Amino acid sequence: EAGVAQSPRYKIIEKRQSVAFWCNPISGHATLYWYQQILGQGPKLLIQFQNNGVVDDSQLPKDRFSAERLKGVDSTLKIQPAKLEDSAVYLCASSSYRDRNYGYTFGSGTRLTVV
Amino acid sequence: GESVGLHLPTLSVQEGDNSIINCAYSNSASDYFIWYKQESGKGPQFIIDIRSNMDKRQGQRVTVLLNKTVKHLSLQIAATQPGDSAVYFCAEGPREYGNKLVFGAGTILRVKS
Repeated sequence: EAGVAQSPRYKIIEKRQSVAFWCNPISGHATLYWYQQILGQGPKLLIQFQNNGVVDDSQLPKDRFSAERLKGVDSTLKIQPAKLEDSAVYLCASSSYRDRNYGYTFGSGTRLTVV
Repeated sequence: GESVGLHLPTLSVQEGDNSIINCAYSNSASDYFIWYKQESGKGPQFIIDIRSNMDKRQGQRVTVLLNKTVKHLSLQIAATQPGDSAVYFCAEGPREYGNKLVFGAGTILRVKS
């Protein structure tokens, strides 16, 4: 079974620029999550989708971050404009009610550096 | 160069010894707990989970202990190997599908050969 795919792996941008990340979850996984992991910290949930609907976006900085999952499969996360404090690894994860433990499967993440 | 996990607690163990990684969780209503392993440049990988109606669960070389009285979780790794070197996170949440997991800060495990 293919894992969660994310791209790009690395991105360096200047502050005030925009950036987009892409995630392809495991086939058939209805739930998709975007997490932000700042260096030296645990992952923090940004947004959770169930199919193409948003379940929880309470910690998403909506003035600059947006995310979509239009067809209930792939998802994109966008930052516009980026700030220095957005430097982090952005992790995508997916899960399915069919999984034994409802556990997440994470992708390898996109490392964003804002300079 | 980049320093990973600059502010994380670090546990250094000799190869072959047992490791114990601790975690204090915050929400007494949480009823599901997971330990994840994260190697450099990779996403967190599931190790073992436990429900709140249990106090111990064993896997292959790993054991998770849950003490709900003091909201404490521990991960024991038997016969630690160099490949166990990574950052370990505990996560808590409600035991239901689509649960939102809250992650702890993590602990770096370094295995000395």
